[in-house]
Amino acid sequence: LAKTTQPISMDSYEGQEVNITCSHNNIATNDYITWYQQFPSQGPRFIIQGYKTKVTNEVASLFIPADRKSSTLSLPRVSLSDTAVYYCLVGPMNTGFQKLVFGTGTRLLVSP
Amino acid sequence: EAQVTQNPRYLITVTGKKLTVTCSQNMNHEYMSWYRQDPGLGLRQIYYSMNVEVTDKGDVPEGYKVSRKEKRNFPLILESPSPNQTSLYFCASSLIGETYNSPLHFGNGTRLTVT
Repeated sequence: LAKTTQPISMDSYEGQEVNITCSHNNIATNDYITWYQQFPSQGPRFIIQGYKTKVTNEVASLFIPADRKSSTLSLPRVSLSDTAVYYCLVGPMNTGFQKLVFGTGTRLLVSP
Repeated sequence: EAQVTQNPRYLITVTGKKLTVTCSQNMNHEYMSWYRQDPGLGLRQIYYSMNVEVTDKGDVPEGYKVSRKEKRNFPLILESPSPNQTSLYFCASSLIGETYNSPLHFGNGTRLTVT
């Protein structure tokens, strides 16, 4: 199982771009990288997922270098409502999630 | 509406009194799992299930039991709760795909306090 390492916290201001990097040095060939967002007293919510290169959706982009040993979640022009904890999760496809290991997450604080 | 429903949302109990936290999903997902969340420790997996009657231990299974008799339900059972099981619990579910990686859908959590 690939262990993930993220910064414990990050601060930003409204309108800025925020990049959160996750290290996963022992990622396996069939592992996907998934990011979740969690607000206080709520369950985590799926943001974006990727396998390699770059993935973009309506809320974020995910950059994955060729060696896949890290990944960067990019949030464009953050707002106060983006204040949350962000989790990087590495897990396999084909056989389902099975045993999963979440890291401790990155607490993002967006200020006015 | 597609969702994972946990009950109760809040529960206060005493040491040793058996309790069950229910989890139900309406998305026909094969995979279900339970997590506990404690300050500074993130989400830790307790048990998971790949399908009906198929369950296995996660990272912190001690003191917990689960069952998967129906596809939609995955209750978490604490036979003899102790104060160190005071935590925020989440249930999650997902599809199991052969060629894709299906994201987890989480419930809104159950805050358990054991005195």
